[in-house]
Amino acid sequence: AQSVTQPDIHITVSEGASLELRCNYSYGATPYLFWYVQSPGQGLQLLLKYFSGDTLVQGIKGFEAEFKRSQSSFNLRKPSVHWSDAAEYFCAVVVRHNFNKFYFGSGTKLNVKP
Amino acid sequence: GAVVSQHPSRVICKSGTSVKIECRSLDFQATTMFWYRQFPKKSLMLMATSNEGSKATYEQGVEKDKFLINHASLTLSTLTVTSAHPEDSSFYICSARESQNSPLHFGNGTRLTVT
Repeated sequence: AQSVTQPDIHITVSEGASLELRCNYSYGATPYLFWYVQSPGQGLQLLLKYFSGDTLVQGIKGFEAEFKRSQSSFNLRKPSVHWSDAAEYFCAVVVRHNFNKFYFGSGTKLNVKP
Repeated sequence: GAVVSQHPSRVICKSGTSVKIECRSLDFQATTMFWYRQFPKKSLMLMATSNEGSKATYEQGVEKDKFLINHASLTLSTLTVTSAHPEDSSFYICSARESQNSPLHFGNGTRLTVT
């Protein structure tokens, strides 16, 4: 069965520091990959997606993610975190033959210290 | 673009009553919409897939008679929680996509509290 793992439940970084959120997936082939961000009491906003091609994808708000097939990973990065980035981040995968099935990780809550 | 509007954002109802949640795609047509439930400190659980003009497809363990889904047009899907009970209290989020291979766009969610 497909699964998405976000090993870090909580992460705290200082404002201005770099950030990396981890995501690993379990699936026989390369799925479509997404990162979403959720602010408290809100829905989810798409940060970026990977379908094919360049394995380093750029997203909104200065985020980027790198797909590494050998590691089955799709880690999210940002060089310099802003206080407004404090939120919960979800990695999601979709299997290519069934685009109705989005599998979400359990989320990583990011706290930003001033 | 790709805005999904969900209403209401919060609702409190008494046990035994029904509550309707609306999900609208504002600037695109969504042949497929999805309803998720999010438990505290948990990820999103897909409840059902809603296809315009046809019956919804429910995930295993989701009671279709309790969570009624209607997708009457290409821009509107509704979720009705019937005979609500306190255990139905949760955060419900809808999402929609423009085409088969598009990402999901999410509404802002509805916090349902059943007293």
